[in-house]
Amino acid sequence: EAQVTQNPRYLITVTGKKLTVTCSQNMNHEYMSWYRQDPGLGLRQIYYSMNVEATDKGDVPEGYKVSRKEKRNFPLILESPSPNQTSLYFCASSPQGVPGNTIYFGEGSWLTVV
Amino acid sequence: LAKTTQPVSMDSYEGQEVNITCSHNNIATNDYITWYQQFPSQGPRFIIQGYKTKVTNEVASLFIPADRKSSTLSLPRVSLSDTAVYYCLVVPRGSGYSTLTFGKGTMLLVSP
Repeated sequence: EAQVTQNPRYLITVTGKKLTVTCSQNMNHEYMSWYRQDPGLGLRQIYYSMNVEATDKGDVPEGYKVSRKEKRNFPLILESPSPNQTSLYFCASSPQGVPGNTIYFGEGSWLTVV
Repeated sequence: LAKTTQPVSMDSYEGQEVNITCSHNNIATNDYITWYQQFPSQGPRFIIQGYKTKVTNEVASLFIPADRKSSTLSLPRVSLSDTAVYYCLVVPRGSGYSTLTFGKGTMLLVSP
C-alpha cells in the first residue's frame, strides 16, 4: 500500500531537548516536504527536498533542520525545541516530472513543547 | 507559483450543491489547478485536478474558464461528511516544483 509514515504520532517534550520526527515513503517519490499546521494559519511549508541531498527552505524554516540521505526518508529535526513549535506536523511526498503531481500526506504528528 | 485566493468559510445544508471558487490571476501557461480536501487532524488528500474547461470524477467537478484566472470546485449533493477544509493549489506541470504553499483554504461546514 502506498503510504507516507510519520513517527511519532504524538509527543510531549520539554524546551531544549532535541527531537527528530521521522518520515518515510514507499512510493519512490523524488519530492518530499514538511508542513506545520496551526489554528488560523493553514498549512505552512517548513522545508522541502527535490531529491537526495537536495533540500531547501520553505516559508517557516526557523528552528528546524532536515536531511535527505536516502530517497525514502526525510526526517525533521528540532535541535532545541521551543513552545512556539507546538503544532501539528505533516510530511508529504510526490513524484516529479508528472503533470499535476498528486501530493501524498502522512497522518500527522502532534508535537507539544512545554 | 501563482498566488491563490479563496473564501475563508462557507456554509451549506445536506443535499445542496456547493461551489467554491478560487482566484489565481497570475496562473502560468504550464500550471495545473489542483484541489485538496482536509478533515480535522488528517493530512490533506487529493480531490481533483484540471488544466482547462471541465473535469469530473466520482467526487467533484472542476470548472475552469477560458482565461484560467479562476476555477470552481463543485460538490454535488453534499453530506455531513463533506465538512472539511478545501485547498486550491496551482502547480506547474512537467518538471515539477519547488515550494508548495497551501494557504488557509476554505472551511466548508455542512449542516443537517
